[in-house]
Amino acid sequence: QPVLTQSSSASASLGSSVKLTCTLSSGHKNYVIAWHQQRPGMAPRYLMKLDDTVTYNKGSGVPDRFSGSSSGADRYLTISNLQSEDEADYYCETWDIDTWVFGGGTKVTVL
Amino acid sequence: EVQLVESGGGLAQPGGSLRLSCVISGLSFRTYEMKWVRQTPGKGLEWISYISATGSPSYYVDSVKGRFTISRDTAKNSLYLQMNSLRDEDTAIYYCASHSMVEDYWGQGTLVTVSS
Repeated sequence: QPVLTQSSSASASLGSSVKLTCTLSSGHKNYVIAWHQQRPGMAPRYLMKLDDTVTYNKGSGVPDRFSGSSSGADRYLTISNLQSEDEADYYCETWDIDTWVFGGGTKVTVL
Repeated sequence: EVQLVESGGGLAQPGGSLRLSCVISGLSFRTYEMKWVRQTPGKGLEWISYISATGSPSYYVDSVKGRFTISRDTAKNSLYLQMNSLRDEDTAIYYCASHSMVEDYWGQGTLVTVSS
């Protein structure tokens, strides 16, 4: 089954950009992943899906500041013009025929 | 507006049972695959079960196989999770969520506490 690896934390200044990485395990580099945001004390919120070539199906109301990209087994979430409300945990998710997996999450701190 | 509203959480004793419900509105429930995801306080997300749009097949993470059962009732726009033989380590917030190749949706979660 696939495994997703994320850095545990990231930080950037208000108004700057931060790029989060989610790495798929060997043999799964062409898998689709989803990005989810979880603000403190809240339920997760779907952001977007992306495969190894394109971002698609962005969630309703997700600001244009959030964008996705890919390189090989790496899937990226870039947050531009960072705002205080972007301080949250960000999880990537993927799935196989009978299994769903989440990465460990990246905690984003806005300085 | 799409809404997923969970209920049924609470306190249960080890070895006890609980049934979680999730009522879905604002989308065509009968066409959506669904899953349950849990989160231990302060920890990450863990997928625990999936059910197809038709009700079969369904899948489970190994730690709940044989103890938890996922089901759905299209007429009631509802998803369920029957949890038996509960253990301390099942303590978590349980979320229902849709799964599709378009937008996913999440409920607000319901807290399950297993303790004697």
